[in-house]
Amino acid sequence: AQTVTQSQPEMSVQEAETVTLSCTYDTSESDYYLFWYKQPPSRQMILVIRQEAYKQQNATENRFSVNFQKAAKSFSLKISDSQLGDAAMYFCAYRRTTGANNLFFGTGTRLTVIP
Amino acid sequence: DGGITQSPKYLFRKEGQNVTLSCEQNLNHDAMYWYRQDPGQGLRLIYYSQIVNDFQKGDIAEGYSVSREKKESFPLTVTSAQKNPTAFYLCASSPGSSYNSPLHFGNGTRLTVT
Repeated sequence: AQTVTQSQPEMSVQEAETVTLSCTYDTSESDYYLFWYKQPPSRQMILVIRQEAYKQQNATENRFSVNFQKAAKSFSLKISDSQLGDAAMYFCAYRRTTGANNLFFGTGTRLTVIP
Repeated sequence: DGGITQSPKYLFRKEGQNVTLSCEQNLNHDAMYWYRQDPGQGLRLIYYSQIVNDFQKGDIAEGYSVSREKKESFPLTVTSAQKNPTAFYLCASSPGSSYNSPLHFGNGTRLTVT
């Protein structure tokens, strides 16, 4: 069974600093997709970044980047130059490429940005 | 603008009553999903549908029912058989069965049953 673990229930960062959110997952498959979603106080889930397992290059989206370590089954999110608007819950998610079409979510990390 | 509309934002019901949560999308997406969100548990899949008139149970389908009569609509009924229905419910859609396609989410419905 696929499981996604986010070991940091809460994190904080000073505005303009860098923070890394951790995520590990368990799978026996070689091909899959990984996502980071952001859930601000409005509670709408917003896609932050995605990574394809067969790509070795780490994905980047402006101030957001990932450190994808396939062998270690690790998928951390780095937020650079943190802004007040980055404060939110962040969910890591895994999607397999076989069987039922489904995303498996971690339990989330609440990020606080300190002005 | 295209998107997913969930209504109402807040819903209150008495125990023992069935209640239906609405989800409409105008993104022309084939697949639609219902998730439940509880504190400290992330999102859990209730039901999903990849095509009209077809749907499958997710991890926590007991006490819930859905229908998919139209591509745009995927209502969720929380029945009286659901033992702990108070939660935040999120509807989502994606273009199809492509696993690279991210899910697009609605704003959610907060259901409180007393």
